[in-house]
Amino acid sequence: SQQGEEDPQALSIQEGENATMNCSYKTSINNLQWYRQNSGRGLVHLILIRSNEREKHSGRLRVTLDTSKKSSSLLITASRAADTASYFCAWSGSARQLTFGSGTQLTVLP
Amino acid sequence: DAGVIQSPRHEVTEMGQEVTLRCKPISGHNSLFWYRQTMMRGLELLIYFNNNVPIDDSGMPEDRFSAKMPNASFSTLKIQPSEPRDSAVYFCASSLADTYEQYFGPGTRLTVT
Repeated sequence: SQQGEEDPQALSIQEGENATMNCSYKTSINNLQWYRQNSGRGLVHLILIRSNEREKHSGRLRVTLDTSKKSSSLLITASRAADTASYFCAWSGSARQLTFGSGTQLTVLP
Repeated sequence: DAGVIQSPRHEVTEMGQEVTLRCKPISGHNSLFWYRQTMMRGLELLIYFNNNVPIDDSGMPEDRFSAKMPNASFSTLKIQPSEPRDSAVYFCASSLADTYEQYFGPGTRLTVT
């Protein structure tokens, strides 16, 4: 069973708009990662943020981490139809196993 | 790089049959993870290996499930006997020992009728 939540469960936006997804977890973490899953495919790693970092950027992606609130957010700027996918946060503590959130289904309409 | 390779991609079997899923991790990666994904339970870690040794199998549902990693380039997940509730997509992922980023295979969609 998952030990965190993501919201919204589903998000539908127009191409060019920004998309924000939120993740909450319940344990102490070493790092938090975001993955993308296209329909019928495996997960693809997007970005990792360490517990001592507050914000990280990679291209059109911006991730924030607030360890006091045990939450993270993923912002995708200037979205494209190709960004349509499910997005999962995942975190790990001192061990290397990942625990995944419930995912956000993002639909970007052309 | 071929990426993580899983076979078969799809498996349909009858309840009670043995099912074997296979995984070839990325060359040089020494950690391997098996996950199960369902609509109801999301992504769950079943077991993970480090240098071919099982480190944590607490996610394995029950004794019907077993996993092996006989060498650094091959792992199997076996279900015997299979049940309809085992229907899911099973993913294998690998990573380097000093990183947390995992690389996922395309998955095996298992249907048990």
